[in-house]
Amino acid sequence: AQTVTQSQPEMSVQEAETVTLSCTYDTSENNYYLFWYKQPPSRQMILVIRQEAYKQQNATENRFSVNFQKAAKSFSLKISDSQLGDTAMYFCGYNSGGSNYKLTFGKGTLLTVNP
Amino acid sequence: NAGVTQTPKFRILKIGQSMTLQCAQDMNHNYMYWYRQDPGMGLKLIYYSVGAGITDKGEVPNGYNVSRSTTEDFPLRLELAAPSQTSVYFCASSSRAGWMNNQPQHFGDGTRLSIL
Repeated sequence: AQTVTQSQPEMSVQEAETVTLSCTYDTSENNYYLFWYKQPPSRQMILVIRQEAYKQQNATENRFSVNFQKAAKSFSLKISDSQLGDTAMYFCGYNSGGSNYKLTFGKGTLLTVNP
Repeated sequence: NAGVTQTPKFRILKIGQSMTLQCAQDMNHNYMYWYRQDPGMGLKLIYYSVGAGITDKGEVPNGYNVSRSTTEDFPLRLELAAPSQTSVYFCASSSRAGWMNNQPQHFGDGTRLSIL
């Protein structure tokens, strides 16, 4: 079974600085999808960014970018110019590329952005 | 545009009681999912459905049942509530087209369930 590991339960960063959240995963698949979801105190699950394993180029979405290392099975999220509204739980997610589109999540990292 | 709607938002149950958590989506998505989120943990898949009339177990199905009689609705049933089922429950939906367009899963706002 696929597993997703987020080794940082909590992190903090000063407003306007950059922070990187770590994620590793275990899979025997060659083609799959990886995601970062954000869960603010409102409890909503919001998609931040997604990466297809067959794409070598790292995904970017405004201030959010990933460092995808396929051989190392690593998928970190970099948040640049951190804003107070970035304070949230961040979950790394994995999908095997199967037709049922199921997601497997890590335990999450609580990110606090300090003013 | 409602998206995924979960009811109720909060509920307190006594041990042994039963209840149904409702989930409805108005996006004509074929795929629907139920997750539970325990404190300090990520979301774990309980059950999922790939279309009306088709359901399958996820990672933690024990103590739950689901049905999918329509494309829109995917209720989750707890038959004999136990304290271990205290959690926040999320329903989500997905479509192949959405998946291809960077919208893998749409989530509801969750139901906070406490069993005492």
